[in-house]
Amino acid sequence: EPEVTQTPSHQVTQMGQEVILRCVPISNHLYFYWYRQILGQKVEFLVSFYNNEISEKSEIFDDQFSVERPDGSNFTLKIRSTKLEDSAMYFCASMLETGELFFGEGSRLTVL
Amino acid sequence: GESVGLHLPTLSVQEGDNSIINCAYSNSASDYFIWYKQESGKGPQFIIDIRSNMDKRQGQRVTVLLNKTVKHLSLQIAATQPGDSAVYFCAERGVGAQKLVFGQGTRLTINP
Repeated sequence: EPEVTQTPSHQVTQMGQEVILRCVPISNHLYFYWYRQILGQKVEFLVSFYNNEISEKSEIFDDQFSVERPDGSNFTLKIRSTKLEDSAMYFCASMLETGELFFGEGSRLTVL
Repeated sequence: GESVGLHLPTLSVQEGDNSIINCAYSNSASDYFIWYKQESGKGPQFIIDIRSNMDKRQGQRVTVLLNKTVKHLSLQIAATQPGDSAVYFCAERGVGAQKLVFGQGTRLTINP
C-alpha cells in the first residue's frame, strides 16, 4: 500500500538553527500539506501546496517557514531560525484530488 | 472563525462494548467530515469519512453519523478491542477548501 514517508523521524537542534524536514508524498497525489502537533494537542494546519505553489497557509506559517517541491517526489518544510516553541511533531500529508489526506508518521522536532 | 471541537477529552469503555465519540463543528459551510485515529507516536490514520449530503455511513465496525441541523458528528465503534485504544480526531473541510481542520481529540481507553 502506498504511503507518505518522512525523514528524519526525530531531529534535535539548537535554537536559531535552520531545520529541513523531508517528505515523499504518495506518487500520484496532487495536493501536499504540512501539519504540526504540539505534544498532547490537536493537529494544526500549516500549509497546503498545489500546482507548485502554496495554496493556503495558516497564521503559524510565518516568514520563518517555507516549503519546496524541488523535484517530482520530495516535499520539504524549512524552518529558517528555530524557536523553542517550534518543538512539535510535524506531519506531512498528501491527497489525490478530494477526500482524505494520507499522513506520514511524522518528524519530531526538539528545539533546545 | 471556523472550529471543530470534541465534547469529551477522554473515554473509557469495557472491551467488547460499543463506543461513541462525539464532535461538534461550527462551520456550517463544511461539506466533508472525517475521523482519524492516532496511536501513540504515529501519524493520523484514516477511519471513515462522510459528505454533507449523507447522514450516516458505515464501515467495518465503525459508523459515522452526521447531524447537520445541530452541527454534530459522531463515531461509533462496535465491539471495541484493545487495538482501538488511541486518540480519535474529527476533522472537517469547507466547500472548495483544501485543508482539513482538526478537532481537539478524544482519548479512547479500552478496559479489559
